[in-house]
Amino acid sequence: RKEVEQDPGPFNVPEGATVAFNCTYSNSASQSFFWYRQDCRKEPKLLMSVYSSGNEDGRFTAQLNRASQYISLLIRDSKLSDSATYLCVAHSGGYQKVTFGTGTKLQVIP
Amino acid sequence: DTEVTQTPKHLVMGMTNKKSLKCEQHMGHRAMYWYKQKAKKPPELMFVYSYEKLSINESVPSRFSPECPNSSLLNLHLHALQPEDSALYLCASSTTSGRAADTQYFGPGTRLTVL
Repeated sequence: RKEVEQDPGPFNVPEGATVAFNCTYSNSASQSFFWYRQDCRKEPKLLMSVYSSGNEDGRFTAQLNRASQYISLLIRDSKLSDSATYLCVAHSGGYQKVTFGTGTKLQVIP
Repeated sequence: DTEVTQTPKHLVMGMTNKKSLKCEQHMGHRAMYWYKQKAKKPPELMFVYSYEKLSINESVPSRFSPECPNSSLLNLHLHALQPEDSALYLCASSTTSGRAADTQYFGPGTRLTVL
C-alpha cells in the first residue's frame, strides 16, 4: 500500500461545478498536510496547508480527518484555470520526511 | 523573494558524461531538497540537506552526488547515468522551524535526458 494515496482521475467537470478530491495516508505519525497543484511540465506550487481541522481560501476548502487518516480538497465554482494535477503531501518526522500522493488530474470543461 | 532558481532548464547528456545541476534560493531557508519526477508520476524525494548537512538520502544510487556548498546553493552532480534516469529534477527549499517549516517552494526544474 502506498503511503499517500489519491484517486488518479481524471475528473472532468463543467465550469461552475463543485468537485472534491480525497487523499488517504497510512503513516499515523504524519503531522502536517498540504495540497499542491502542478500544471503540465511545470513545478508543483503550494495551494493550501492543512494543519488541524481544515481551512478555507476563497473557492478552496481543505479538511483533515486524523481519525480516519484522510484529507480532502473541495473546489467550488470551478474555473478553466483550475485544470491541473492536484497533489496531496504528508510530512512526518518534522520538516524533512516528505511524501507526495500519486496526484489527481482535474480537467474543467467549458 | 520567494523564488527558487534552477539551471540548466534542459540537459541532454550521454551515459559517460559528467554534469551538474544547480539550485539557488535567497529566502534564508536552511532546508533544501532534490526530487526526481517521471512523467505522470508524483515527485520522489531523493535528498534533504539541513543546515548544509545531508540529513536524508532515500537510497539514491551513487551516480547521483549531492552537494551543498553554502546555505543558498544546492548542486546535484551526475556521472555515468542510465537512460532510465531521464526525468524532471526538482529542487525545493523550506524553513526549518515554526509552523511554516514544512511549506516547500519549488524551482522550475531541470529536464534531463540521458542518451
